[in-house]
Amino acid sequence: GEDVEQSLFLSVREGDSSVINCTYTDSSSTYLYWYKQEPGAGLQLLTYIFSNMDMKQDQRLTVLLNKKDKHLSLRIADTQTGDSAIYFCAEPYSSASKIIFGSGTRLSIRP
Amino acid sequence: EAGVAQSPRYKIIEKRQSVAFWCNPISGHATLYWYQQILGQGPKLLIQFQNNGVVDDSQLPKDRFSAERLKGVDSTLKIQPAKLEDSAVYLCASSYHSGANVLTFGAGSRLTVL
Repeated sequence: GEDVEQSLFLSVREGDSSVINCTYTDSSSTYLYWYKQEPGAGLQLLTYIFSNMDMKQDQRLTVLLNKKDKHLSLRIADTQTGDSAIYFCAEPYSSASKIIFGSGTRLSIRP
Repeated sequence: EAGVAQSPRYKIIEKRQSVAFWCNPISGHATLYWYQQILGQGPKLLIQFQNNGVVDDSQLPKDRFSAERLKGVDSTLKIQPAKLEDSAVYLCASSYHSGANVLTFGAGSRLTVL
């Protein structure tokens, strides 16, 4: 069935790295996505990775993809207070255009 | 480029009343989505349009929810009659649906059913 799984909470110290993990379901997914949601706002695309890649780096963000285990992770280097938000993993399911989301990981930053 | 517009931002109604939400997607985006996001959960897809045709409405509670996208641009989501469990944020998103199919979301319409 369609189910994208994430842990619900993550707390890190400011300046440390954050690693948010996700397990997805559809092995035929062509793209996998990370979206960010700040309080009172809609979701905003952070980054995505094509399924033929193992890693993608974009400034402070690093995405790792393990297709064998259907595992996706997002690493945020030098985490700042502005990174406090909910992070959603997403994948296409049953068709390229039907996008389903995980339950989200709430990232909080300790001073 | 203008973003995805949604209205109203907030709505409070009593159970068994009706409510309608409006969405104006990004110009040129053929695909439009309505998601329901209950507090503490991820968005759940309710319905997906390609132009003015329905692609997927498998999770839309059709006894009380309806949606249309006349002329393949704006869309309206209606709930009638509302139940307490319909309290949620209703998110509209649109995409060009090519390549990576990136979704652009509106700010959402928060519904409280009393």
